[in-house]
Amino acid sequence: GAVVSQHPSRVICKSGTSVKIECRSLDFQATTMFWYRQFPKQSLMLMATSNEGSKATYEQGVEKDKFLINHASLTLSTLTVTSAHPEDSSFYICSARGGTAGHYEQYFGPGTRLTVT
Amino acid sequence: GQQVMQIPQYQHVQEGEDFTTYCNSSTTLSNIQWYKQRPGGHPVFLIQLVKSGEVKKQKRLTFQFGEAKKNSSLHITATQTTDVGTYFCATADGLTFGKGTHLIIQP
Repeated sequence: GAVVSQHPSRVICKSGTSVKIECRSLDFQATTMFWYRQFPKQSLMLMATSNEGSKATYEQGVEKDKFLINHASLTLSTLTVTSAHPEDSSFYICSARGGTAGHYEQYFGPGTRLTVT
Repeated sequence: GQQVMQIPQYQHVQEGEDFTTYCNSSTTLSNIQWYKQRPGGHPVFLIQLVKSGEVKKQKRLTFQFGEAKKNSSLHITATQTTDVGTYFCATADGLTFGKGTHLIIQP
């Protein structure tokens, strides 16, 4: 199956700093990438959908100025957590969508565990 | 977006017993996907169901999509310790995930 990489896998940062997470589709072109947040033993919460070359669509309740998403190419999307606070500590997972309408498959990255101290 | 309810939240079974998780929606779904997430890992795509009444099998796993395309189930026959994890259903169009069913297997 298709592979999606995510970097870094773990990051610890101080409160008030910004952190950038990269998501890459390694062997296919992903016109759409998704960013999720997952708390321990809970489901994935969709944060935003990003389409290559256009602005991301954020889910209700997700601050777009805090979670900056850039999808500059068909293989790379980035999520920047700006002015991070301890409550932003979480597991962030990206996914890339391949296939055609009605037959999409989603491939997840391995996730990034963010700890804000 | 579309909402999906998944039950049960937790399921304890003895190794060798069967396991089923259910996913229900109040609206008709165009399709539904199932994922497995091992502890500490990321979700892995298992299957997508598209047709009304569709049944697909993957070894000991059987996936069903309801006739009305409002519900789906995943059944595992004779569970093994490698089946441990959380199973999520998700709507491909809305990318909404159910809360997942945590499968715990007791040897």
